[in-house]
Amino acid sequence: QVQLVESGGGVVQPGGSLRLSCAASGFTFSSYGMHWVRQAPGKGLEWVAFIRYDGSNKYYADSVKGRFTISRDNSKNTLYLQMNSLRAEDTAVYYCAKEGAAAGAPLDYWGQGTLVTVSS
Amino acid sequence: SYVLTQPPSVSVAPGQTARITCGGNNIGSKSVHWYQQKPGQAPVLVVYDDSDRPSGIPERFSGSNSGNTATLTISRVEAGDEADYYCQVWDSSSDHYVFGTGTKVTVL
Repeated sequence: QVQLVESGGGVVQPGGSLRLSCAASGFTFSSYGMHWVRQAPGKGLEWVAFIRYDGSNKYYADSVKGRFTISRDNSKNTLYLQMNSLRAEDTAVYYCAKEGAAAGAPLDYWGQGTLVTVSS
Repeated sequence: SYVLTQPPSVSVAPGQTARITCGGNNIGSKSVHWYQQKPGQAPVLVVYDDSDRPSGIPERFSGSNSGNTATLTISRVEAGDEADYYCQVWDSSSDHYVFGTGTKVTVL
């Protein structure tokens, strides 16, 4: 069965950096695009970033562009999110999610999320 | 940027029908996906490509999409359907993925 397990969350000061990881299993990781989606406390879902199955294309929400970098290591079945210049408004639960088989496909499997808190 | 608007809340009695709308400019030309999120849990896909259901999702969940509005319909509502629901599309003009504002469904 598909499993996505995020890690790397924690408390970081404003302006700091953090790298999230998402370990994937139960499917051919190298064949699917992957997303990061976040949810601030008590708020709705916000899409953060997407990477194609082979890493050839990456897209970012305007709110994180230039500060966050999505990447993947298909040999390790792992997705990453490097977060720099963190702000208080980046505080959220960060989910990784698998995309279906085509462009614009739904996010068909989600991890349980990892909490990032940006605070001094 | 593309915006999806949902009503903040919908209340429905058990056994009745809940309809959740998702408004967006010419959304009928896009594929709409719907997610259910219960408190403290990750979202779960309940409808994709406007009206298809993943395996394991009850037939009580259905969807439609036309013009400027997509709709998620939950028939014969049960207490376990109480959750937040989000619509989502891919905006190909910007290569951005967009979520709706979310709707809290309360079962009376």
